[in-house]
Amino acid sequence: EIVLTQSPDFQSVTPKGEVTITCRASQSIGSNLHWYQQKPDQSPKLLIKFASQSISGVPSRFSGSGFGTQFTLTINSPEAEDAATYYCHQTSTVSHVWTFGQGTKVEIK
Amino acid sequence: QLQLQESGPGLVRPSETLSLTCSVSGGSIGKSTYYWGWVRQPPGKGLEWIGSIYYDGTTVYNPSLTSRVTISVDTSKNQFSLKMSSVTAADTAVYYCARHLATHTPIEYWGQGTLVTVSS
Repeated sequence: EIVLTQSPDFQSVTPKGEVTITCRASQSIGSNLHWYQQKPDQSPKLLIKFASQSISGVPSRFSGSGFGTQFTLTINSPEAEDAATYYCHQTSTVSHVWTFGQGTKVEIK
Repeated sequence: QLQLQESGPGLVRPSETLSLTCSVSGGSIGKSTYYWGWVRQPPGKGLEWIGSIYYDGTTVYNPSLTSRVTISVDTSKNQFSLKMSSVTAADTAVYYCARHLATHTPIEYWGQGTLVTVSS
């Protein structure tokens, strides 16, 4: 099973700051890494697919990068509505067993 | 717009079988080449993929749950279902049904989730 480890577990930023979340995979997964946002009592929402591909309707302040075993989700100039927990998710074509990161909770001060 | 809606008992006794159904509207399960899956989330914890079924009935399961899980599809009702046997308190979670295009693609659509509590 491929383990995804996110860091940090919690991040607090101001609206003029930047959110950076890292997701590290225990083995190479190419670009088969996706990011979701989950707000309390809501289902997850897809933000970024295949490491860096944008999703229609998702604000441009959300971006992703990475390949292999290290990936990053960045939120530039976050807004109050971005307060949520963020999860990475791997869909490796080798493993065929999906796993998620443990989540990173983001607070906007 | 595709919509997914979970339904089923909110309380299941330990050692019994958990049964949930996901009703799909805004699209036909039998006429579209998608995977339909289940993901769960224990209260206050992270996400765990349970398994997925292709529109033709082909299934893929999380190895940690495969001995207890069955996912099936009923194209006539435009529904798919989850059965999990021998449940324990550790199976208490919000269960989400979901749709994805292929085994390596992300989940584009999620149901709203339903809380299942395992307790006597």
